[in-house]
Amino acid sequence: DSGVTQTPKHLITATGQRVTLRCSPRSGDLSVYWYQQSLDQGLQFLIQYYNGEERAKGNILERFSAQQFPDLHSELNLSSLELGDSALYFCASSVGSSGGTDTQYFGPGTRLTVL
Amino acid sequence: GNSVTQMEGPVTLSEEAFLTINCTYTATGYPSLFWYVQYPGEGLQLLLKATKADDKGSNKGFEATYRKETTSFHLEKGSVQVSDSAVYFCALSPGSYIPTFGRGTSLIVHP
Repeated sequence: DSGVTQTPKHLITATGQRVTLRCSPRSGDLSVYWYQQSLDQGLQFLIQYYNGEERAKGNILERFSAQQFPDLHSELNLSSLELGDSALYFCASSVGSSGGTDTQYFGPGTRLTVL
Repeated sequence: GNSVTQMEGPVTLSEEAFLTINCTYTATGYPSLFWYVQYPGEGLQLLLKATKADDKGSNKGFEATYRKETTSFHLEKGSVQVSDSAVYFCALSPGSYIPTFGRGTSLIVHP
């Protein structure tokens, strides 16, 4: 158990809909990272927040947005969903702000299925 | 840009066999290199890392050596167990930037 929790575990929805994925980092960790894992694209970094502020941005679509709240939990919002958005979405956390050198602890993921 | 290439899986082995999973990379400068493992139904876990040329990372019987001359970071284990069955990801990070991950290699170990 990494100490990172994600809800829900599974999500099934229809094209055009909007969903929110939630992540609680390990106690004491200030950074939260979001990744998308799909069969055709592999593991893609989406976005990082550090202590409430956006820190780094990767291949995140404009239809997707995220935020980190004062209690450090984070939410990833996906809107106007398309079939291709079906994937596993992982959240990770780390103590510091350096995504490249800090050890990241991954949650178990949310599996999103868009029908 | 930065990229990581891993051998395609699945890699299927019998228990106690020797394991090698190849990983090569393209990057500017001197990135840190990582291996992550993903067990079924779980998130990724850091397995080992190396931060400079000729460094050897090791953990749980797994080893990988940072070879700058061949831009490689191959994962090895002398004797695999059924419990090692998982997906293994090679990754690199130039400085403090977010890691770039390979596509992952599935390992299946039979009793």
